[in-house]
Amino acid sequence: DAGITQSPRHKVTETGTPVTLRCHQTENHRYMYWYRQDPGHGLRLIHYSYGVKDTDKGEVSDGYSVSRSKTEDFLLTLESATSSQTSVYFCAISEPWGRGLNTEAFFGQGTRLTVV
Amino acid sequence: DQQVKQNSPSLSVQEGRISILNCDYTNSMFDYFLWYKKYPAEGPTFLISISSIKDKNEDGRFTVFLNKSAKHLSLHIVPSQPGDSAVYFCAASEGSQGNLIFGKGTKLSVKP
Repeated sequence: DAGITQSPRHKVTETGTPVTLRCHQTENHRYMYWYRQDPGHGLRLIHYSYGVKDTDKGEVSDGYSVSRSKTEDFLLTLESATSSQTSVYFCAISEPWGRGLNTEAFFGQGTRLTVV
Repeated sequence: DQQVKQNSPSLSVQEGRISILNCDYTNSMFDYFLWYKKYPAEGPTFLISISSIKDKNEDGRFTVFLNKSAKHLSLHIVPSQPGDSAVYFCAASEGSQGNLIFGKGTKLSVKP
């Protein structure tokens, strides 16, 4: 299994509180991603990083921020959690995609976040 | 708008028969495609991928076909086994871009 650890694995928080989810990798992969999975929506990209301090928005980035100060860590922050952010969050890592390059993204086990 | 579409939310197949899962995409710049399998309460796991320079890739029971002109790919599982019952996601990326875009998934049920 790829070395990806998400923490915490489960969290319940109150509306309006800040929340930070952590993704830690031991594979030294360049790219890191945060996705959320919701019924009827599949996996939606929140933010991704293509290097230390290099990040970009995905399709559902509103209400989320990220930071990557080290290759191995990618943090996802909900500045003020809302009930609509109740979801399962997955971190993934990969090497750069490229034409003909056989690569894949490895996923963590997920973090179940409930905002009450 | 969805760039990667899996129009069948579910599929039921008899054990031993072929399962065919379909995926359509709209972005002609996508050039690398992947299929993932997901069990409940676990992270997605990689199954098979294909580059746009190919039209077919096989790995054991799994074959992915790519039709670039139709912007369509499919995953064939032969023979299907009960352990294949899971949600299957199609995903696509564009060149060296970092973002990997997923479809909504298809839930496959393989009945003994």
